[in-house]
Amino acid sequence: QSALTQPASVSGSPRQSITISCTGTSSDVGSYNFVSWYQQHPVKAPKLLIYDVSKRPSGVSNRFSGSKSGNTASLTISGLQAEDEADYYCCSYAGTNTVVFGGGTKLAVL
Amino acid sequence: EVQLVESGGGLVQPGGSLRLSCAASGFTFSRYWMHWVRQAPGKGLVWVSRIDSDGSYTNYADSVKGRFTISRDNAKNTLYLQMNSLRVEDTAVYYCARDLTPTLGATDYWGQGTLVTVSS
Repeated sequence: QSALTQPASVSGSPRQSITISCTGTSSDVGSYNFVSWYQQHPVKAPKLLIYDVSKRPSGVSNRFSGSKSGNTASLTISGLQAEDEADYYCCSYAGTNTVVFGGGTKLAVL
Repeated sequence: EVQLVESGGGLVQPGGSLRLSCAASGFTFSRYWMHWVRQAPGKGLVWVSRIDSDGSYTNYADSVKGRFTISRDNAKNTLYLQMNSLRVEDTAVYYCARDLTPTLGATDYWGQGTLVTVSS
C-alpha cells in the first residue's frame, strides 16, 4: 500500500494548461481503470473531479480531464483560473477493496 | 442535500482509544459503501478503511489493521471508527466519505472532518 507518486508542485499562468502526473504500479493504476482525482482548497474537504480515469461528475467543469497510460495517470487542467490554485490528489483502486492515494500536488497559478 | 458530519475527535494519550462517528443525511445511507480517510497536519490524504452497505465486509490500510474497527448502524444512518492503541502518528483530520457506487475506490461526498490529536 505505497502511496502513488505525484510531483510536489506545479505552476502555470492564467489561461494556460497544466498536467499533473500520478505514477503507481501494476498492482494499482496499471491494473484498474479506477483512478480518481480530487481537488482540495485549504481547510476544506476534498472534492471529486474525475473518476474511472476520465469521467467527470455532474457539475465539474470540462476544463478538468483525466487520462491513463500504463502505470501513470494524468490530470489536465486547461484554461487555468485563479480559483484552480489548490492541492490535487490522485487515487486508485488497489485490489481487495483497498484504495491508495497519491502524495498530493500543490498547484500555483502565477 | 447529501451531508456527512463527523464527530468524536479530540486529544488522547498514546495507547488510548477514541470512537469517531459520521452522521449521514440526504441519501439512503444503507445503500452505500462508506470510507474513512485521514490527513495528518500539512500532509496528504491517506485511505484508512471501508465498509460495505450492510456492514458485512470491511477492509483496512495496513497501518491501522488490528487497531481500528469500522462499523455502521444503518438504522441510525451513522458510520463509526473505533480507534484503539492510538499512536502519535495517528494524529490527523479524519474524514468520512461516501463511495461512488458502482465504481471502485472513488468517493463523491466528504464530511468536513474531525481532528484527532494523539499526544502525551
